[in-house]
Amino acid sequence: DAKTTQPNSMESNEEEPVHLPCNHSTISGTDYIHWYRQLPSQGPEYVIHGLTSNVNNRMASLAIAEDRKSSTLILHRATLRDAAVYYCILTPNNDMRFGAGTRLTVKP
Amino acid sequence: AAGVIQSPRHLIKEKRETATLKCYPIPRHDTVYWYQQGPGQDPQFLISFYEKMQSDKGSIPDRFSAQQFSDYHSELNMSSLELGDSALYFCASSLAPSLGRPDTQYFGPGTRLTVL
Repeated sequence: DAKTTQPNSMESNEEEPVHLPCNHSTISGTDYIHWYRQLPSQGPEYVIHGLTSNVNNRMASLAIAEDRKSSTLILHRATLRDAAVYYCILTPNNDMRFGAGTRLTVKP
Repeated sequence: AAGVIQSPRHLIKEKRETATLKCYPIPRHDTVYWYQQGPGQDPQFLISFYEKMQSDKGSIPDRFSAQQFSDYHSELNMSSLELGDSALYFCASSLAPSLGRPDTQYFGPGTRLTVL
């Protein structure tokens, strides 16, 4: 499985944008880039996924580097409810292997 | 909208006992996944089923088994429980990938298993 590297933790101020990076230099051509998050005491929750082009949805945006070796999850205006562990996962199908994600702290 | 249902939500067992966890996927979802999350750890994939057949296997111990039934619900059977099996067990469901495109996994609230 292709490996991803994310910072252990990040901090953000409420209502400011947050850019969560993910490096995946060994990504294969068929790997999709998925982002899930896990809020405290809850199961993981889908955020967004993409293959080559940047993607937007109501929760976030996903910016994918042209060489696909890195990507960035963008939360446009962080709220206190966005405090969670964010996981970047590569897979060509639905099988998710969670690595060590980024713990996002949002300060009021 | 209907979500993934897991039962029981909490379960306490003694060492060497058995446990059965149940998962009811979102209606029309044909694929079920099981994950284990120990205290302070990230979720670890155990096993998945598509149309009642095992589709992928992760770090599931030999003491555990699982199956998916004709109504698509799934059960995770755990025998000879050990203290280290204490964890949150999540079930997720999805539609199978179509045209090579993955589908979103929807996770249940989890079953907290405590082994004493």
